[in-house]
Amino acid sequence: GQQVMQIPQYQHVQEGEDFTTYCNSSTTLSNIQWYKQRPGGHPVFLIQLVKSGEVKKQKRLTFQFGEAKKNSSLHITATQTTDVGTYFCATSGAGSYQLTFGKGTKLSVIP
Amino acid sequence: NAGVTQTPKFRVLKTGQSMTLLCAQDMNHEYMYWYRQDPGMGLRLIHYSVGEGTTAKGEVPDGYNVSRLKKQNFLLGLESAAPSQTSVYFCASRAGETQYFGPGTRLLVL
Repeated sequence: GQQVMQIPQYQHVQEGEDFTTYCNSSTTLSNIQWYKQRPGGHPVFLIQLVKSGEVKKQKRLTFQFGEAKKNSSLHITATQTTDVGTYFCATSGAGSYQLTFGKGTKLSVIP
Repeated sequence: NAGVTQTPKFRVLKTGQSMTLLCAQDMNHEYMYWYRQDPGMGLRLIHYSVGEGTTAKGEVPDGYNVSRLKKQNFLLGLESAAPSQTSVYFCASRAGETQYFGPGTRLLVL
């Protein structure tokens, strides 16, 4: 099955700094999804990207899908304490019922 | 509209005991999933179902069984619990490409 690698595993930032997490694959991906999990909570769907070079924004969050569809990134501008949590990327093969998750990037924001 | 609910929230088992985790969704979704989450491992798929009466194995199915007798319910069974099954278990249902997760069940096997 398809695998995705996420880096970094952990990131500590000062409040107001920017944050980026990356999701990489050795094979072309059909799609990429991003989820956020708050401490003690459950994963919550953020967005799905399917097109080569696609860029989507949600307020301070910018999501990109690489031109070759082998990588994706999530960038948060001016982090806030509410951004704390673990961010996961996930992908499903074309026509597949299954999602494969990356191991996540845990974001800590220092006030 | 409760979304996806899981029962129980927390459970302690002794090695060799059995138990069933219940997942219920009221969104009429066809697809349902069981994951386990361990520190540093992300979410790993145990079993899934694409409709009432159907189940399939995921990435880590050993030691678990599932049943989907009703569309709204997806049960995960541990016949003989082992300490390696200590984890947080999440159920999810799917609409389109989006998966909706339940609040999780924390299981400790001693």
